[in-house]
Amino acid sequence: AQSVAQPEDQVNVAEGNPLTVKCTYSVSGNPYLFWYVQYPNRGLQFLLKYITGDNLVKGSYGFEAEFNKSQTSFHLKKPSALVSDSALYFCAVRDGYNFNKFYFGSGTKLNVKP
Amino acid sequence: NAGVMQNPRHLVRRRGQEARLRCSPMKGHSHVYWYRQLPEEGLKFMVYLQKENIIDESGMPKERFSAEFPKEGPSILRIQQVVRGDSAAYFCASSLDSYTGELFFGEGSRLTVL
Repeated sequence: AQSVAQPEDQVNVAEGNPLTVKCTYSVSGNPYLFWYVQYPNRGLQFLLKYITGDNLVKGSYGFEAEFNKSQTSFHLKKPSALVSDSALYFCAVRDGYNFNKFYFGSGTKLNVKP
Repeated sequence: NAGVMQNPRHLVRRRGQEARLRCSPMKGHSHVYWYRQLPEEGLKFMVYLQKENIIDESGMPKERFSAEFPKEGPSILRIQQVVRGDSAAYFCASSLDSYTGELFFGEGSRLTVL
């Protein structure tokens, strides 16, 4: 069965420190992986995606994500967190066979403290 | 190029009334998805439509909820005889017909049932 897991409900980091938001997936076929960010009372904004190629994907707002096939993970990272990065982050995977199906994780709330 | 447009952004209904939520996908996008989100929670898939067709409605309650995406005009999510438990944010997303494209989300319609 296809699924996405975000094991942490919440991640707390200090401003200026590196951050990691974890995501693991289970999917048939090639994984197409995505990260989204949601600010309060807003829709989800696309951050980055992995389709193929380099395992390190760079996206918006200085975020990047590392695809690890052996660990079936796609962790979101940023070298230096900003208070404005505080938001809800969702990992998603597109079904490699039924490509119109998307599976979202439960979301991780990132708190960046000054 | 306008993004995904949802209206109304906020809707208040009394129990038993009907709620109609509209979504215009991004230009050129033929796939529309509806999701529901409760406060501080993740996204729950409701329905996936293409023009004039419901492709997957596995996430939609069997009663009171319906969706359409007519040949002309926006996609409509209709909730009849609303109850307090229907209070939530309803998000629409659209995508291109491709294996690798991401979903683009609207800002959501927030339904409050009194």
